[in-house]
Amino acid sequence: KAGVTQTPRYLIKTRGQQVTLSCSPISGHRSVSWYQQTPGQGLQFLFEYFSETQRNKGNFPGRFSGRQFSNSRSEMNVSTLELGDSALYLCASSPGDREVYGYTFGSGTRLTVV
Amino acid sequence: GQQLNQSPQSMFIQEGEDVSMNCTSSSIFNTWLWYKQDPGEGPVLLIALYKAGELTSNGRLTAQFGITRKDSFLNISASIPSDVGIYFCAGQLRSGAGSYQLTFGKGTKLSVIP
Repeated sequence: KAGVTQTPRYLIKTRGQQVTLSCSPISGHRSVSWYQQTPGQGLQFLFEYFSETQRNKGNFPGRFSGRQFSNSRSEMNVSTLELGDSALYLCASSPGDREVYGYTFGSGTRLTVV
Repeated sequence: GQQLNQSPQSMFIQEGEDVSMNCTSSSIFNTWLWYKQDPGEGPVLLIALYKAGELTSNGRLTAQFGITRKDSFLNISASIPSDVGIYFCAGQLRSGAGSYQLTFGKGTKLSVIP
């Protein structure tokens, strides 16, 4: 069973640009959550999508957005990049329609903003 | 928002020694999870705890869900070099929309000296 796939693995962008990250969940999983990981703040919840709808959202500015497609693949977009957006962005998948104990994470996309 | 205090921040131990780390929270969680993250990878679920007072083992790992539902600990017995990595605790809570959001501790970095 394939795991959670995130692309690209590494990305370098310039301040002010925008970026789109992609996540393909485990087959059959309908929920995709996104997390930002930085040395200072640790792992912080961005948002969760289930059946193409945003179901939950963390405390991040509106520059961070996402969407989910009918095949459950999800994209995350960050507009007007700032230096502080440099981080490892992780997505996690779960069935989404019942309680599960823990999520399966992808390997992440390392975003560097210069 | 909810905060998880994880300690210690880092540990240096001799191979074969036992390790203990813990997490405390100002809020109650329905589920406690322990993850391990290797460099360049996403967190991998080690143990999930879903009942207050529960004690669960996974090989050399043992974790407990505190009675107050505000704390958890993880023990690793007879450490080996491949135990090196960052260990995260996470509290899981269900939101009104049926979403399950994880709140993570800042991590315990474990180094094992052969």
